[in-house]
Amino acid sequence: SDELTQPPSVSVSPGQTASITCSGDKLGDKYVCWFQQKPGQPPVLVIYQDTKRPSGIPERISGSNSGNTATLTISGTQTVDEADYYCQTWDTTVMFGGGTKLTVL
Amino acid sequence: QVQLQESGPGQVKASQTLSLNCSVSGGSISSAGYYWSWIRQHPGKGLEWIGYIYYTGSTHFNPSLKSRVSISVDTSQNHFSLKLISVTAADTAVYFCARAGNAMVFNSWGQGTLVTVSS
Repeated sequence: SDELTQPPSVSVSPGQTASITCSGDKLGDKYVCWFQQKPGQPPVLVIYQDTKRPSGIPERISGSNSGNTATLTISGTQTVDEADYYCQTWDTTVMFGGGTKLTVL
Repeated sequence: QVQLQESGPGQVKASQTLSLNCSVSGGSISSAGYYWSWIRQHPGKGLEWIGYIYYTGSTHFNPSLKSRVSISVDTSQNHFSLKLISVTAADTAVYFCARAGNAMVFNSWGQGTLVTVSS
C-alpha cells in the first residue's frame, strides 16, 4: 500500500511524553520526515532522515523508524507543542500521512 | 536563507486553469540538488504533494494529478510555476511552494496561498 497512516488525535498532559505513530508498508526501509503545523502557518520541519533535528528544533523532539512504523516523540510536552503533525516519506512518489492533532491539556 | 513566496489569483472559475508562481529569494533556483515543489492542503485537511521540478526542467508528479498538472521553471527570473487545468471545487485548497533537498526533505516553505474554485 502507498499510504501512511497516523492516528487522528493524541492527547497528553503538560510535562508528559507524547508519541505519534506513522505506519506504512516497509516504512523502516525509507527515510521519514516529520512536520509541525500550527493554524494559518506553513508546516515546519522538525525531524528528517528518521532521527535528525534541524537547527532550532529542541532536543525534546525526537524520531525513530523501524519495521512498518515511524514514531515522533515529544518529551516534556509543552503547550507550545500543540499543533498538527505530519509524517512524510518518498520512494517513487512523495507521501504524507493524514496528520495527527496533538492536544496538550 | 532561502525564502519562497507564492502569488496568483485567489479565485478561479470551475473548468478553467489555476496558475500560480513561486518566487525564490536568498538562493538560486539553479542550484544543484534541490527539487522545487508544489504541495496543497484542502481546508481542514492534510497535505497533498502535487509535484516537483528540478532546475534542468525535469519533473515528477503525483499520479493522481499527473494528467492535469504542469510545472515550469524560469531560471532567469528565479521562479517556478504551477498550472492545473480543468479545475473543480475539489481543487479549492491552500497551495504551498516548497524546496526539497537530499532525500526529498522539504526544509523551506512559502506561506501558502488560498485558491478557491467557484462555479
